[in-house]
Amino acid sequence: DAGVIQSPRHEVTEMGQEVTLRCKPISGHNSLFWYRQTMMRGLELLIYFNNNVPIDDSGMPEDRFSAKMPNASFSTLKIQPSEPRDSAVYFCASSSYRATEAFFGQGTRLTVV
Amino acid sequence: AQSVAQPEDQVNVAEGNPLTVKCTYSVSGNPYLFWYVQYPNRGLQFLLKYITGDNLVKGSYGFEAEFNKSQTSFHLKKPSALVSDSALYFCAVRDDNFNKFYFGSGTKLNVKP
Repeated sequence: DAGVIQSPRHEVTEMGQEVTLRCKPISGHNSLFWYRQTMMRGLELLIYFNNNVPIDDSGMPEDRFSAKMPNASFSTLKIQPSEPRDSAVYFCASSSYRATEAFFGQGTRLTVV
Repeated sequence: AQSVAQPEDQVNVAEGNPLTVKCTYSVSGNPYLFWYVQYPNRGLQFLLKYITGDNLVKGSYGFEAEFNKSQTSFHLKKPSALVSDSALYFCAVRDDNFNKFYFGSGTKLNVKP
């Protein structure tokens, strides 16, 4: 398996633009997580899905952020409109239920100017 | 409440010396404990996990961790540090009830020649 695949690896956009980050989890995994990493706040859980259903989105910072998982092999995180404070590295991770580890993608480095 | 604490922002050790990176946790139910490593501009990589059984868990790259239920700790250890071990280390706990991962704030390990 190629692991968790995220795209794009880098994104530079202007304030106010819509940004869409993409994630392909490992085949057969039931859970998918979106994290954001910054120097100031560390690693933050934004949202996670079990069996394509959002379970906990309490970490989503504002209504400008939305996430979808239309099927078991694809998820998106959308920011509309983007702001400079959204600049961060966004990670997607997947795992099986319960006692198993999560596998992380390489991340998307987002810069909003 | 579920939480993980890494009390040290940074650990400095000389190459060849033993290293310890500390982690304590708080979780209801059975704790599933994990250690991850992050190299610059990379995603988090799984090192090892404790699910049940022997309190001393061995993982990748010569790392091991000791689960201590009475002290609610899961410290990461290595008998002889390498310069290449220098990275950011995260401890995490997965809640048996909610399946979420709770990550610590990370500890930067510096191994000097």
